[in-house]
Amino acid sequence: QSVLTQPPSASGTPGQRVTISCSGSSSNIGSNSVNWYQQLPGTAPKLLIHSNNQRPSGVPDRFSGSKSAGSASLAISGLQSEDEADYYCAAWDDSLNGHYVFGTGTRVTVL
Amino acid sequence: EVQLVESGGGLVQPGGSLRLSCAASGFTVSNNAMSWVRQAPGKGLEWVSGISGSAYITYYADSVKGRFTISRDKSKNTLSLQMNSLRAEDAAVYYCAKVTAGTNKYYYYMDVWGKGTTVTVSS
Repeated sequence: QSVLTQPPSASGTPGQRVTISCSGSSSNIGSNSVNWYQQLPGTAPKLLIHSNNQRPSGVPDRFSGSKSAGSASLAISGLQSEDEADYYCAAWDDSLNGHYVFGTGTRVTVL
Repeated sequence: EVQLVESGGGLVQPGGSLRLSCAASGFTVSNNAMSWVRQAPGKGLEWVSGISGSAYITYYADSVKGRFTISRDKSKNTLSLQMNSLRAEDAAVYYCAKVTAGTNKYYYYMDVWGKGTTVTVSS
């Protein structure tokens, strides 16, 4: 089944802005909204951004999401050491009988 | 507080079966869409199965279709995943998640996650 494509890694120094891309197709990102999950080392994933650009309560406004046609991106501004984690994009895919797809994941390292 | 706690993981031989459970507190499982997501050691997240909120509609990844069955128990407020004909590639941490979704799936996201339960498939 289809998978969303992300760069395997991204990095930045504290205070920098880091952007992660997520590429999909017309059946997923092109048709439905995109979500982002953060997974800190050794923990369960956590919802970071939903519905393309909505932050759940408690998520710092340093995190922002955007979507354009068949791709999406997550931006982390003012990078902090606690942002070092794996980040996954995801969306519902309308192909076949419908299923949810995750991105390949991006490891963010704070230098 | 809204919380999910998975259980039922363990060691099983290839071809064997296992039933995972997910106990919910702070909300009603039968009124919400729910999903199972797994993560193999050192790998990314893989969606396994989902069940709709009001209507009893189930969805499966191709990798588990015909072998896994998702269900919920209203009386116990739990979500379950029956896993049959297990393979080495099914070994993973399995997470249960509460889903917020629109009727047409335009928006569909996991807003509450459990800590996971580990399934090991080995002879």
